[in-house]
Amino acid sequence: DTGVSQDPRHKITKRGQNVTFRCDPISEHNRLYWYRQTLGQGPEFLTYFQNEAQLEKSRLLSDRFSAERPKGSFSTLEIQRTEQGDSAMYLCASSLTESNQPQHFGDGTRLSIL
Amino acid sequence: DAKTTQPPSMDCAEGRAANLPCNHSTISGNEYVYWYRQIHSQGPQYIIHGLKNNETNEMASLIITEDRKSSTLILPHATLRDTAVYYCISEGAGNMLTFGGGTRLMVKP
Repeated sequence: DTGVSQDPRHKITKRGQNVTFRCDPISEHNRLYWYRQTLGQGPEFLTYFQNEAQLEKSRLLSDRFSAERPKGSFSTLEIQRTEQGDSAMYLCASSLTESNQPQHFGDGTRLSIL
Repeated sequence: DAKTTQPPSMDCAEGRAANLPCNHSTISGNEYVYWYRQIHSQGPQYIIHGLKNNETNEMASLIITEDRKSSTLILPHATLRDTAVYYCISEGAGNMLTFGGGTRLMVKP
C-alpha cells in the first residue's frame, strides 16, 4: 500500500516567483485535501476535491493560491508571486468518500522563500 | 476554530501507559473525534477515531465519555518512538479537519 506522495519535499525560491507542488493520493481514494502548516502550529485546511471537483476553496489564503485535480487523480497546488509569509509546510491528504473515513497525509513539501 | 482543547505538553516514562486527554464539549452529536500524531518533519499520522463507543486498534485505545464532552487516548506501553505532537480533532463539514495546538508528548527513558 503506497501512501500519499508529495513532490518536491523541499522547495527554495525567491520572493515573487511562482511555485507548484504535486500530490499523488492513495490510488483508491477519491477525496484529496490540501493543508498548510507553519512552524509550531497545527495544519490549517486550505481546500479539498471530490474526484476532479473542487468542493471547498473559500479557505485558500488568497487569490495567489490555486489548486487543480484535472483527472481526479493527482493534484497540484500553485502559489503565484510568492511572499515571505508563504514559507511553510504544505501537506496533502487523501481519503475515501464514505463518511468518517480517516484522512491519510503525505510528508509535505517544505517551502522556503528567500 | 478548533472545537477541542488539549494540554500543551505531557511527559511519560518509557513502558508506562500514556493517557492523553481532550475536551470537546461543543462538538455536534454526529461529529467523530479523530486522533493524529506528528513526528518532526513528517506528515500527521492517523491513530484512531470514534463517535460514542470506546475504540481500540493496534496503536491505541480511545475512551469517550458518555456525554461525549471529552475523550482520552491511551498508548498502553509508550516507547521513545511515541514522542510526538498528538492532535485531537473533530471533523467539520466536508471532512475538514481543524487542528488545534495538540499535546507534545515526551516519552522519557
